[in-house]
Amino acid sequence: AQTVTQSQPEMSVQEAETVTLSCTYDTSESDYYLFWYKQPPSRQMILVIRQEAYKQQNATENRFSVNFQKAAKSFSLKISDSQLGDAAMYFCAYKSQGAQKLVFGQGTRLTINP
Amino acid sequence: GAVVSQHPSWVICKSGTSVKIECRSLDFQATTMFWYRQFPKQSLMLMATSNEGSKATYEQGVEKDKFLINHASLTLSTLTVTSAHPEDSSFYICSARESWGTGNTIYFGEGSWLTVV
Repeated sequence: AQTVTQSQPEMSVQEAETVTLSCTYDTSESDYYLFWYKQPPSRQMILVIRQEAYKQQNATENRFSVNFQKAAKSFSLKISDSQLGDAAMYFCAYKSQGAQKLVFGQGTRLTINP
Repeated sequence: GAVVSQHPSWVICKSGTSVKIECRSLDFQATTMFWYRQFPKQSLMLMATSNEGSKATYEQGVEKDKFLINHASLTLSTLTVTSAHPEDSSFYICSARESWGTGNTIYFGEGSWLTVV
């Protein structure tokens, strides 16, 4: 079974600085998808970014980018120019090509210091 | 992005009664919807996978007679907590899988807080 590990329960960063959240996963499959979801205090799960495993290019969405290392099974999220509104729980998630459901990591709570 | 709406956002019910939570995909068709439960400071726990027109697939340890799931249309799934007890109080979140394209992105509802008194 696939597993997703987020080794950082909590992270903090100064406003306007850059922070990287770590995520590793375990799978024997070659075709899959990886996601980062943000869960602010409102508890709404918001899709931040997604990466297809077959793509070598790292996904980017404005201030959010990923470092996808397929061989190392690593999928870190970099947030540039951190803003107060970025404060939230961040969940890394995996979905295999043939499966319907997501496998979530434990989450990382990100605090932005003004 | 796609929108998933969950209702109600907050609900309080008396112990022993049943409560229904709705999950709607507003601007896309979702052949598959998912129901999660989230305990404080924890990740999401998948309860069941709901496919339109068929019975839901429950995760191990989830009582299917207690958590009734119906997915009668491509845009609506419901979770009914039957004979609710205080230990059922939790945050419940639904998500929907887009049917178009590769169907590999999943969008979440706003969640529902259930308090059983």
